[in-house]
Formats: sequence, structure tokens, C-alpha cells
Amino acid sequence: AQSVTQLDSHVSVSEGTPVLLRCNYSSSYSPSLFWYVQHPNKGLQLLLKYTSAATLVKGINGFEAEFKKSETSFHLTKPSAHMSDAAEYFCVVSRNTGFQKLVFGTGTRLLVSP
Amino acid sequence: NAGVTQTPKFRILKIGQSMTLQCTQDMNHNYMYWYRQDPGMGLKLIYYSVGAGITDKGEVPNGYNVSRSTTEDFPLRLELAAPSQTSVYFCASSYSVGYGGDEQFFGPGTRLTVL
Repeated sequence: AQSVTQLDSHVSVSEGTPVLLRCNYSSSYSPSLFWYVQHPNKGLQLLLKYTSAATLVKGINGFEAEFKKSETSFHLTKPSAHMSDAAEYFCVVSRNTGFQKLVFGTGTRLLVSP
Repeated sequence: NAGVTQTPKFRILKIGQSMTLQCTQDMNHNYMYWYRQDPGMGLKLIYYSVGAGITDKGEVPNGYNVSRSTTEDFPLRLELAAPSQTSVYFCASSYSVGYGGDEQFFGPGTRLTVL
């Protein structure tokens, strides 16, 4: 069985300050992990993914995430927030072999103030 | 490429009515998926398809039906709409997986309200 816990439902930052969105996972298998972003009234877009290669994963728009097996975590970070980063972020887990079904976290809404 | 397209964008149904949500992808992906997103929740898988003529249930299939007659199209049918089916519906597709971890590409969603 697989599950994802996003530890914060809302995160508020000021423009130019660092972003940290926290995600813990549980998986009976070697996992693939993803972060997706959803801007208002839009579909989901892949930010980055981990599939058992390098543990530090770089994604689009300056985001990165680190896979920590000992902590079962996959936190998303960005050094400096931009107003356009305001959106809903979903942490997602799946198996990294065979057919994948995605298991979504409940989402973290990132608010960026000027 | 248009990617994944969904129609309609918005729809209001009365209880007991039926409708079909359309989904088309032009990326020649084998795998297609339907999800629903309820407020404050992550996406839940309704049905998925691994190729034309092959479909299977996801986590929350009750009240829905699907078909996959072509690679491109994966319509979702709601029979006897109920208020519990008020949600945002997303269609997605991905390339066939050899080892897992393939990116799913999402459509813009259909916002459905059942009154």
C-alpha cells in the first residue's frame, strides 16, 4: 500500500523568501515520487520527479526536492519565491516498476505576498 | 500538439440526468485516466485504460462508466447523476511504462455541479 501526507494545508511566504513544502510518504515498494503544481482553474503540471536515480531532483521554475529514504520524505524547496508560484502543490507517490497508479496527497496551497 | 483536451469546461446537471465527459489526447499515449478532485482533497482515480478496448476500475468507480474504442479518446459516462458527483474531473494520459515513473499529462478539467 502507498500513501502520502502533506504536512501543511497552507503555506504563506513573502516574495523573495525561501519556500518549503513538506511531504512524507509510505510505500511497500520502491517508490517513484512526484510534485505537481495546479494553478487556479488549470490542470496539473509536473514540476519534478524522483525515480530511483539521483536523490536531489531539480525541476522547472527553480524548484527542487530531495528524496530521503531514512526519513521517508520528499520535501519541495525553492530558494526565492515569486508571485507566480502561488498555486496548489501536490505530492504524489507510485510504484517505480510496472504499471503506475498515482496516489495523491491532499495538497498544499502556497500563498505569496508582495 | 494540443495535448489532453476535455469538454465541456463547465456543466450543471439535475439529479438523475446523464452526461458524457469527453477526453481526447493527441500524443499517441497508450495509458489514459479519469480522476475526480473534491474540495481540499487530492485526486482520486475513477477509471483507467492501458490501451484501446481495455479499461479497469480505480478507487472510486461507482456511478461511472468508460469506454476506449480508440487510442485518442476516453469518454467518461455519468448515469443517474447524484449530488455526490459534484466535483472537478480531470483526464490524463501517459506513455506506456517500462519501469514506472512516467509523467502523466493532464487536461484542464471539467467542473460539474449536480443539483
